Amino acid sequence: QVQLQESGPGLVKPSQTLSLTCTVSGGSISSGSYYWSWIRQPAGKGLEWIGRIYTSGSTNYNPSLKSRVTISVDTSKNQFSLKLSSVTAADTAMYYCARGYNNYLPGMGVWGQGTTVTVSS
Amino acid sequence: QTVVTQEPSLTVSPGGTVTLTCASSSGAVTSGSYPSWFQQKPGQAPRALIYSTSNKQSWTPARFSGSLLGGKAALTLSGVQPEDEADYYCLLYYGGALVFGGGTKLTVL
Repeated sequence: QVQLQESGPGLVKPSQTLSLTCTVSGGSISSGSYYWSWIRQPAGKGLEWIGRIYTSGSTNYNPSLKSRVTISVDTSKNQFSLKLSSVTAADTAMYYCARGYNNYLPGMGVWGQGTTVTVSS
Repeated sequence: QTVVTQEPSLTVSPGGTVTLTCASSSGAVTSGSYPSWFQQKPGQAPRALIYSTSNKQSWTPARFSGSLLGGKAALTLSGVQPEDEADYYCLLYYGGALVFGGGTKLTVL
C-alpha cells in the first residue's frame, strides 16, 4: 500500500522559494508507469493543480504557475519535490502530493495528508 | 485557461439520489478528458472516488457512479448516506494539463 508524506518548512518569507518534498513509502517511485503530482488548496477554497512529473523525469505544469514552478524526482531517495519561487501571500495554502494511475492515466489515486505553508514575513 | 464548472452547492435527503456535474469552458467533456472525482471532508485530504469517467477505486462505495451526461461529466450518488456530506471536486485533463472544478458542497438534510 503506497503512502505519501509531504514535508518542508511551514513558513516562508515573501519573495523567497518554497521547497517541499514528498516521500513515497510502501513501494518504489520508479516502479510502474505513474506520474506524481503537486496540488494546493488555500484555506476555505478549492483545489489547484500545480504540476506533475513522470517517473522518466518529464514534467507538466499549470500554465498560471509555470514560470515559478520546478518539480523534480530523486529515485534514490524515493522522493519527488516542489520548488515555487518568488512566493507571495497568495501562495499560502495546504500543499498535497499525489500519485496518479498506472499506464499514465490522468488523475490522483493516492494522496498525502498535506502540509500547510504560510507565506509571511 | 480552461475553466471547469461545478454546482456550488446541492442538498439531498438521506436515501435520495443526486447528480453532480462538471462542465468545461472549452466544450463537451468526453472520455478523452479522463474525468475524475474526489471527495473531501473537513480537515481531511481529498480522497479519489472515480477516475477515467467511471472507474471506481477499491474503496469507493457502490452507491457512487461516474458517467458522461449531456456534454458534462457526472457523479451520481444513489441512496445517499449522511456520511456522504462533503465537498466534491472533479478534475479534467487537457493534453498534459489538469484542471479542477470549483467544487460542489453536498449537504445531506
